[in-house]
Amino acid sequence: NAGVIQTPRHKVTGKGQEATLWCEPISGHSAVFWYRQTIVQGLEFLTYFRNQAPIDDSGMPKERFSAQMPNQSHSTLKIQSTQPQDSAVYLCASSLTTNSDYTFGSGTRLLVI
Amino acid sequence: GEKVEQHESTLSVREGDSAVINCTYTDTASSYFPWYKQEAGKSLHFVIDIRSNVDRKQSQRLTVLLDKKAKRFSLHITATQPEDSAIYFCAASQGGRALIFGTGTTVSVSP
Repeated sequence: NAGVIQTPRHKVTGKGQEATLWCEPISGHSAVFWYRQTIVQGLEFLTYFRNQAPIDDSGMPKERFSAQMPNQSHSTLKIQSTQPQDSAVYLCASSLTTNSDYTFGSGTRLLVI
Repeated sequence: GEKVEQHESTLSVREGDSAVINCTYTDTASSYFPWYKQEAGKSLHFVIDIRSNVDRKQSQRLTVLLDKKAKRFSLHITATQPEDSAIYFCAASQGGRALIFGTGTTVSVSP
């Protein structure tokens, strides 16, 4: 079991460019979550999927952020027109059910310059 | 929506002493309360959880207490060891919703 796999581990983008982050959840886990971690804001919930269906995207900044889960083996988080304030560690997690413990990936450290 | 407050931002203890981290939550419907540990340079990993149908759960040196009336839960670490040094996050959720995390407590265990 390789755990939750996130790629890339690090990404540097110029302001205004697009960034796509990938997550491969643990096989058999029905719930997939995206969080953003910064020193100032801590761990912020962004969005989650259950059985590939989007359930709650209340934490997603509108307009520039979008997430998809086209199949049970991966999810993507896309940020359009990146801004310096998007710089953060983006964490993906999966769990057997919504109400069970999460397994986090190692995260993607995004730096927007 | 749910808000989770983690009361101690830092905690320094001597090896062998106990450490206690306190959290409060706002949503009375929350029923699941896990704790996660983040070591330096690493991601979060699950350590222990408690559900609202019990008020105490113990796993080795870790104990979680839940006071639903006060909407408060706490993590107790006994006989602390240097490897307990990390950032600890509490979290809460109600059924079907994602976890909302506290701001983290940095625990430092000195010899």
